[in-house]
Amino acid sequence: QKEVEQNSGPLSVPEGAIASLNCTYSDRGSQSFFWYRQYSGKSPELIMFIYSNGDKEDGRFTAQLNKASQYVSLLIRDSQPSDSATYLCAVRHGATNKLIFGTGTLLAVQP
Amino acid sequence: DTAVSQTPKYLVTQMGNDKSIKCEQNLGHDTMYWYKQDSKKFLKIMFSYNNKELIINETVPNRFSPKSPDKAHLNLHINSLELGDSAVYFCASSQDFTANIRGYTFGSGTRLTVV
Repeated sequence: QKEVEQNSGPLSVPEGAIASLNCTYSDRGSQSFFWYRQYSGKSPELIMFIYSNGDKEDGRFTAQLNKASQYVSLLIRDSQPSDSATYLCAVRHGATNKLIFGTGTLLAVQP
Repeated sequence: DTAVSQTPKYLVTQMGNDKSIKCEQNLGHDTMYWYKQDSKKFLKIMFSYNNKELIINETVPNRFSPKSPDKAHLNLHINSLELGDSAVYFCASSQDFTANIRGYTFGSGTRLTVV
């Protein structure tokens, strides 16, 4: 089992729809969770981080964390073609502090 | 001003050569990292330094040797390059080793191609 798992996609949504990206993790001691966006040929950039169970909203983005079920999700409302990118889930390992990344989900927003 | 800068951006070299990648951050962060991203986009940590001290050393070949002359710089030297070393190498930094605040800031990456 991989430490951080994501569906590789591609996830295709129409413009204006809600895109839902999911991530599960194996280390129950993990405390910090991050979503990065990576455009093709570019470096990852942080878009959201969440530490507590529940929802955290920032503009069109909402991160959701459920530690009991060991999953993190990212919702993107009113998706735009400019949101088309690979979204990387990252989990800080509780014991080692390493930031472990998933393989990413490719999101394609269709105009 | 670029927060985390890496050089070179592209590196094409022959098998068996030795090459270095340099990284500098001007964020005042204590901790720096090297990650390798393969063709399937998987980002895997290689090394981490906190205030010039090696704190994470993943299972990578001995041909890879990091060096941190000060906390703002982390370089990666690779000896006897192999085809399988072809990847994008990202440098990153964080405020401290817990990376709790704002996660990591990544450099623009170095695309290494070994031919």
